[in-house]
Amino acid sequence: KQEVTQIPAALSVPEGENLVLNCSFTDSAIYNLQWFRQDPGKGLTSLLLIQSSQREQTSGRLNASLDKSSGRSTLYIAASQPGDSATYLCAVMASGGSYIPTFGRGTSLIVHP
Amino acid sequence: DAGVIQSPRHEVTEMGQEVTLRCKPISGHNSLFWYRQTMMRGLELLIYFNNNVPIDDSGMPEDRFSAKMPNASFSTLKIQPSEPRDSAVYFCASSLSGGATDTQYFGPGTRLTVL
Repeated sequence: KQEVTQIPAALSVPEGENLVLNCSFTDSAIYNLQWFRQDPGKGLTSLLLIQSSQREQTSGRLNASLDKSSGRSTLYIAASQPGDSATYLCAVMASGGSYIPTFGRGTSLIVHP
Repeated sequence: DAGVIQSPRHEVTEMGQEVTLRCKPISGHNSLFWYRQTMMRGLELLIYFNNNVPIDDSGMPEDRFSAKMPNASFSTLKIQPSEPRDSAVYFCASSLSGGATDTQYFGPGTRLTVL
């Protein structure tokens, strides 16, 4: 059974810092890995989706990398802003079956001015 | 497009009552997912449909839970009878085809409290 772990569980940084969120998964046979953002009281919003054949994806100040062999992904946020404060979840879609994602518990990020 | 629409946004009910949660997926999306999120267990997939047909319901916790998708634009998740441990935020999500390259779009969720 696929297990997804996110470290750290919570992070508080001053505005302007570059930061890295980590996601690890136990089964490297995956279709894709996706990073989501969740604001308090809201649903999830997809940030980046990395296919199993890709190494990284970039969107603005966000960069996500994928190392399937080691079962790891990182989400890099450059020049963090208070508006980046949210919970970030990664989800792994395992191959070989139905397209069901397994989610990590998330990293709760606070960027303070 | 209005995105995925869920109703109600909040539901407070007493143990033993029937609860019905509703979802309208994004028009043109063929796959629909129901999730439950709690502090203890995180985000869990309950069931997903493709072209209105349930494909995987292995996440449905027990017989008290049932889900239907009578047409491409509407789905319900029903809990009967409800119990305090069912208290959670329930999310509905949809995607174009449910395939490996598809992004899921989430609704705002229904916060359920069972007293």
